[in-house]
Amino acid sequence: SQQGEEDPQALSIQEGENATMNCSYKTSINNLQWYRQNSGRGLVHLILIRSNEREKHSGRLRVTLDTSKKSSSLLITASRAADTASYFCATDEPNKIIFGKGTRLHILP
Amino acid sequence: SAVISQKPSRDICQRGTSLTIQCQVDSQVTMMFWYRQQPGQSLTLIATANQGSEATYESGFVIDKFPISRPNLTFSTLTVSNMSPEDSSIYLCSVEKGFGYTFGSGTRLTVV
Repeated sequence: SQQGEEDPQALSIQEGENATMNCSYKTSINNLQWYRQNSGRGLVHLILIRSNEREKHSGRLRVTLDTSKKSSSLLITASRAADTASYFCATDEPNKIIFGKGTRLHILP
Repeated sequence: SAVISQKPSRDICQRGTSLTIQCQVDSQVTMMFWYRQQPGQSLTLIATANQGSEATYESGFVIDKFPISRPNLTFSTLTVSNMSPEDSSIYLCSVEKGFGYTFGSGTRLTVV
């Protein structure tokens, strides 16, 4: 079963702009992770935020978590062509993680 | 983080045949995970493979269709049996390492 629901499903922005993707989930979590997938290949782990954290940064990435609303957001600042990919949130369950449906991000030159 | 070697990277198979996908990890891991990603969709967990015991399958997936081997702590195989065009997907293996999961590069399977 899928726990996370990303919003929007697809997003196109101009290079240099910021991109924001949202993820909502249904049950309590210990942590939430974001992954990137380029052209249907393997996923790359971007960032993990724990349930007791509200915000986390990694380079041009900023992740927020609101456990009261059961939602998270991923912000990519100063987007680049190389950021074109699908982005997935994933929530933890005992001994596994469950992925959301993903957001397809397209950076326009 | 771990490094996973997954092969084949892609294959085109006839319906009714079987394909075995291999994943080799560069370090020992307790659990390995197998996912399916249908065209344009997200990842769905097929099963969790533990060394020395039978794999644990998720709802909708059965051992007869997706037999899994886990002979040691660095290797696992997933077989897609008696394939039909509906099995055309990307199949990925994954392990948990550190603060996230590491994925193989995926096997793009097309069944004709």
